[in-house]
Amino acid sequence: EDKVVQSPLSLVVHEGDTVTLNCSYEVTNFRSLLWYKQEKKAPTFLFMLTSSGIEKKSGRLSSILDKKELSSILNITATQTGDSAIYLCAVALLPAQGGSEKLVFGKGMKLTVNP
Amino acid sequence: NAGVTQTPKFQVLKTGQSMTLQCAQDMNHEYMSWYRQDPGMGLRLIHYSVGAGITDQGEVPNGYNVSRSTTEDFPLRLLSAAPSQTSVYFCASRPFKGVLHSPLHFGNGTRLTVT
Repeated sequence: EDKVVQSPLSLVVHEGDTVTLNCSYEVTNFRSLLWYKQEKKAPTFLFMLTSSGIEKKSGRLSSILDKKELSSILNITATQTGDSAIYLCAVALLPAQGGSEKLVFGKGMKLTVNP
Repeated sequence: NAGVTQTPKFQVLKTGQSMTLQCAQDMNHEYMSWYRQDPGMGLRLIHYSVGAGITDQGEVPNGYNVSRSTTEDFPLRLLSAAPSQTSVYFCASRPFKGVLHSPLHFGNGTRLTVT
């Protein structure tokens, strides 16, 4: 069974701290790994990683995929209260013959940044 | 540019009632899908469609029906609501044909309570 595991499931930090979110996976036919941020409503896309060792960065957020270790990390530096959200990790699987790409989500990680 | 629009935002049903959750997108995306999000369970795929006239089951399809008569619309029907269907429902879309890697675009969700 395809599985995506995020850790920790929740974290409380103070503004200015640096946090690292972990995502590990056991899947067949890996295609890509995606990170989403979910505040009060819709998940919004952060990063997509398809090649091992390549870092994606956007401002204070960065992510790396380690295909050897079957994992990814999402780093947030100099956290702000606006970073408080649920962070979702998902793995896209290559489709079976005639089928569609399948996306498997982790349970999500709730980050709370206190002022 | 509206993106993915879901209606209603909130709904309360009694056990046994039926209803349709609406989803529309204006991005000409071939792929559309429905997820439910429950505490501690992450996002789970209910049904998906890769184009008008084509639908398929996801991970948790029981109790739900879908149809795709147009590219823009992908309604989700609950034929006989049960308390176990209390959840937050998200519709999501992305390009499909000719696109290898593309993240999902989510609607803002429908919070459904079945009493």
